[in-house]
Amino acid sequence: ETGVTQSPTHLIKTRGQQVTLRCSSQSGHNTVSWYQQALGQGPQFIFQYYREEENGRGNFPPRFSGLQFPNYSSELNVNALELDDSALYLCASSLFRGRGETQYFGPGTRLLVL
Amino acid sequence: DQQVKQNSPSLSVQEGRISILNCDYTNSMFDYFLWYKKYPAEGPTFLISISSIKDKNEDGRFTVFLNKSAKHLSLHIVPSQPGDSAVYFCAATPTGNQFYFGTGTSLTVIP
Repeated sequence: ETGVTQSPTHLIKTRGQQVTLRCSSQSGHNTVSWYQQALGQGPQFIFQYYREEENGRGNFPPRFSGLQFPNYSSELNVNALELDDSALYLCASSLFRGRGETQYFGPGTRLLVL
Repeated sequence: DQQVKQNSPSLSVQEGRISILNCDYTNSMFDYFLWYKKYPAEGPTFLISISSIKDKNEDGRFTVFLNKSAKHLSLHIVPSQPGDSAVYFCAATPTGNQFYFGTGTSLTVIP
């Protein structure tokens, strides 16, 4: 069984640029969620994708967007990067049940915006 | 608006003793709760969960207790081992998709 993988592991961008982060879900899972974890904080929910559609969104602006592909892998895109976007971005996969599902996390991508 | 709170940023425990990590929540719609463990440079690892229809769930050395009236859950680790040293996050969800996390408690188990 393959776990959740994310790429790249680290990334440095400058303010105003755009970034794409990638995630491969655990085998057998059909749902991917993205979280932002700032230093000293818990993960904050960005959005979830199920069957290639957005299935819930947290309090993040539209410049945070995503995609899910037929193989259930996913991308997180962030446009017009701001300094406050510097954080660890976590991807989690799960098997959709509607409620009571457990999310399994990848190692994260650490983004630094200068 | 922090709906899940872990008020103790850190905890130190002697090896072999019990570790008790606490978590409070404000949203009465939460019906599924989880604990995750996180080592540096890794993603959170799922530890144990509990549904709101239960008040206790055990898995080996880990037990989670849920007190719905107090909107409080706790994680007990017995006996504590040095390998348990990590940051522990509690999380809760009302719907199964959006998880709300606390800010974490850093546990140090002293050999």
